[in-house]
Parts: sequence; C-alpha cells; structure tokens
Amino acid sequence: DAGVTQTPRHEVAEKGQTIILKCEPVSGHNDLFWYRQTKIQGLELLSYFRSKSLMEDGGAFKDRFKAEMLNSSFSTLKIQPTEPKDSAVYLCASSLGVGTEVFFGKGTRLTVV
Amino acid sequence: QQKVQQSPESLSVPEGGMASLNCTSSDRNFQYFWWYRQHSGEGPKALMSIFSDGDKKEGRFTAHLNKASLHVSLHIRDSQPSDSALYFCASMNYNQGKLIFGQGTKLSIKP
Repeated sequence: DAGVTQTPRHEVAEKGQTIILKCEPVSGHNDLFWYRQTKIQGLELLSYFRSKSLMEDGGAFKDRFKAEMLNSSFSTLKIQPTEPKDSAVYLCASSLGVGTEVFFGKGTRLTVV
Repeated sequence: QQKVQQSPESLSVPEGGMASLNCTSSDRNFQYFWWYRQHSGEGPKALMSIFSDGDKKEGRFTAHLNKASLHVSLHIRDSQPSDSALYFCASMNYNQGKLIFGQGTKLSIKP
C-alpha cells in the first residue's frame, strides 16, 4: 500500500505568489490533516477534513490559507499570497478515523523569498 | 486554545541509557495521547498511543499517563543511535477528532 504522497517535495516562491501544495492520502482513509512544521512552533494544525467535510479551518491561518478535498483521494493547500513567514515544511496526513493512527507524508518544504 | 507543552527541548543520552520525555495538555477535553517520532527528511511516524491511566509498554518504549494532571511521559530504555530523532507528543479530542502536537523534543543518542 502506498503511504501519503505529497508533491512537490520542495517549492521556492516569491513573496506575493500563489502556491498550491498537493496531497494523496492513504487509500481508504477518511480523515485528512494539513499541518505546518517550524522549529519554534512545532506542528500546527491548518485544516482537518472528515469524509471530505471541513471540520477545522485553522483559525489564525484562515485568511491566506485554503485547503480543499476535491475527492476522497486528493487534497490541495493553497497559500495566497505567500509571505516570507510562510517558509516552513507543510505536512499532509491521513487516518481511518478518530482515535486511529495518523500517517504522515514526507512533507513539502516551502521557501518564500 | 489547546496547547501541548513538551520538555525538555533537547536531550542527550548515552547509548544503552534511559531517555525520558514529558508532555502536558492544557485542555481536559484533550486527554488521549500519541507519541510520534520524526527522523530527518521524513514525516512523523507513530510510536504508540495511550488512552488510559497508567503504563503502556511496547518493546523498549513505555508511556505513562496521568489523566488527573493531563501529563504523559515516554521512557526509552536501552537507547540506540537509531533512536536519535525529533519526538512529538500529540493530544486528541475524541469528540472533535482534532490532533494537536507539541513543539517536539530533540533526542540525541551518543555512541
């Protein structure tokens, strides 16, 4: 079975650009998460979908960050417009449901210059 | 807002020694815990979950949960160089399904 697949692995964007990160969850998983990882903050939850319904839209991240689940096997995270402080690793994860193990992708490292 | 506090920020342990990591949740609605481990260049991978008071042992790893204080610890005995990684504690609200992570503990095992 394939794990969580994220593309691209690395992205360099200029300030003000729009970028779209992609994620394919583990086949059959119902829950999908987007996290941002930085050394200072650790892992911050951006969005959480349960059976394609948005359960958590990330509070402080709402204004420039938008996650979507186009279907049960594909999700995107759009950042518009990008700012240098958005430089981080963005992780996508999926699970069968509440209380079950969450599987992570390898992440997309975003650098905004 | 729910917070998960981990300590220490970093830890160095000799090979074969015992490593102890700590974690506390700030919200009583988040009282189910997971430990994750992340090696460089990889995504985090689950080590173990603990949902009940007391100890849970899996191989060299033992987790301890005290629900009254919302404190969980992870103990790694007979530490190996391959245990060198970033360790995350995560707490879960079972009703909401949200999984909130701490800032991580960097563990280094010295040969």
